[in-house]
Amino acid sequence: AQTVTQSQPEMSVQEAETVTLSCTYDTSESDYYLFWYKQPPSRQMILVIRQEAYKQQNATENRFSVNFQKAAKSFSLKISDSQLGDAAMYFCAYSTNSGAGSYQLTFGKGTKLSVIP
Amino acid sequence: DGGITQSPKYLFRKEGQNVTLSCEQNLNHDAMYWYRQDPGQGLRLIYYSQIVNDFQKGDIAEGYSVSREKKESFPLTVTSAQKNPTAFYLCASSTSGFADSPLHFGNGTRLTVT
Repeated sequence: AQTVTQSQPEMSVQEAETVTLSCTYDTSESDYYLFWYKQPPSRQMILVIRQEAYKQQNATENRFSVNFQKAAKSFSLKISDSQLGDAAMYFCAYSTNSGAGSYQLTFGKGTKLSVIP
Repeated sequence: DGGITQSPKYLFRKEGQNVTLSCEQNLNHDAMYWYRQDPGQGLRLIYYSQIVNDFQKGDIAEGYSVSREKKESFPLTVTSAQKNPTAFYLCASSTSGFADSPLHFGNGTRLTVT
């Protein structure tokens, strides 16, 4: 079974600084997708960024970017110019089609990010 | 605006009672999902449905049941057989039930069973 590991249960960053959240995954598949989701105190999960495994170029979305290292099975999230609204739980997720019309999505246990004014 | 509505936000039940959590979406998404979230556990999949009148068990389906009679609705019933039902429940949907479709989530329902 695929596993997703977020080794940092909690992190903090000063406002306007940059922070990187780590994520590693274990898979034998070659075709898969990786996601970062944000869960603010309101508890509604929001998609932050998506990466296709077949793409070498790292995905970016405004202040959010990823460092995707396929050989190392690493998918870290970099948040630049951190803002107070970035404070949340961040979940890394791995997804692949399992065949026979089904799919598999696995979440990490999350990293709680605090932003210090 | 399109989205996913979960109701109620908070739900309290006595042990031994079945309870149904509502999830409705107006995004015209084919696939819908139920996740359970416990502190320090991340999200665990209970059930998912890729089309109407069809659904599959997830990793922790025991003690839960679902139905998908309409595309817009995917209610989850927590039965008395669920050993530890107190948790935060998240409903989600995606355009398709395939790996490349990101999930859209509702606001969640906090269930407390005493």
